[in-house]
Amino acid sequence: QTVVTQEPSLSVSPGGTVTLTCGLTSGSVSTRYYPGWYQQTPGQSPRTLIYNTDTRSSGVPDRFSGSILGSKAALTITGAQAHDESDYYCVLFMGGGIWVFGGGTKLTVL
Amino acid sequence: EVQLVESGGDLVQPGGSLRLSCEVSGFSFSSFWMTWVRQAPGKGLEWVAQIKPDGSEKYYVDSVKGRFTISRDNAKNSLHLQMNSLRAEDTAVYYCASGSYASYTWGQGTLVTVSS
Repeated sequence: QTVVTQEPSLSVSPGGTVTLTCGLTSGSVSTRYYPGWYQQTPGQSPRTLIYNTDTRSSGVPDRFSGSILGSKAALTITGAQAHDESDYYCVLFMGGGIWVFGGGTKLTVL
Repeated sequence: EVQLVESGGDLVQPGGSLRLSCEVSGFSFSSFWMTWVRQAPGKGLEWVAQIKPDGSEKYYVDSVKGRFTISRDNAKNSLHLQMNSLRAEDTAVYYCASGSYASYTWGQGTLVTVSS
């Protein structure tokens, strides 16, 4: 069974740039997987940042961008701010109407 | 303003049933795919089920197939999740979400606890 992989944790300095990735245990991610990215802080509902690889959701600052990097989907955050410290999840369309979330990345800004 | 409001979460015994609802306002409900996503305490997000705008197609994660049923009432702008044969591992906050291609707008979630 193919699993969606994410880095368990990453850190970035304030003002810095960080890239989170979303891969597969078997195969490469492409735009056909329609990758999406979500931000969640403790006790809150998730917030959609990016969908369909690189489309920014309404109200999301352009510091957040989505892409395909090599064999993975990627979320790049530029000019990191303290309030970017959150959990980030990706989701991939696996076909047959089924979507699968990755395990999430805990981003620390320090 | 787009709003999704879940309800129906409760404490239920293993083997029991529960029906979750999601009332939607602020957008054309009948035009969008609707999805249920859950999050177990301290864990990540898990995609559970989704339904086509006209209700003609429904999809489920393997772990709930045969036990959960997603449905919608486009006349009432509401989404439902009928959950039967509940297990301890179904304990989670359940979110309803709208949008195609996972461009989700999220509700605030409703807590389901399965315990004796």
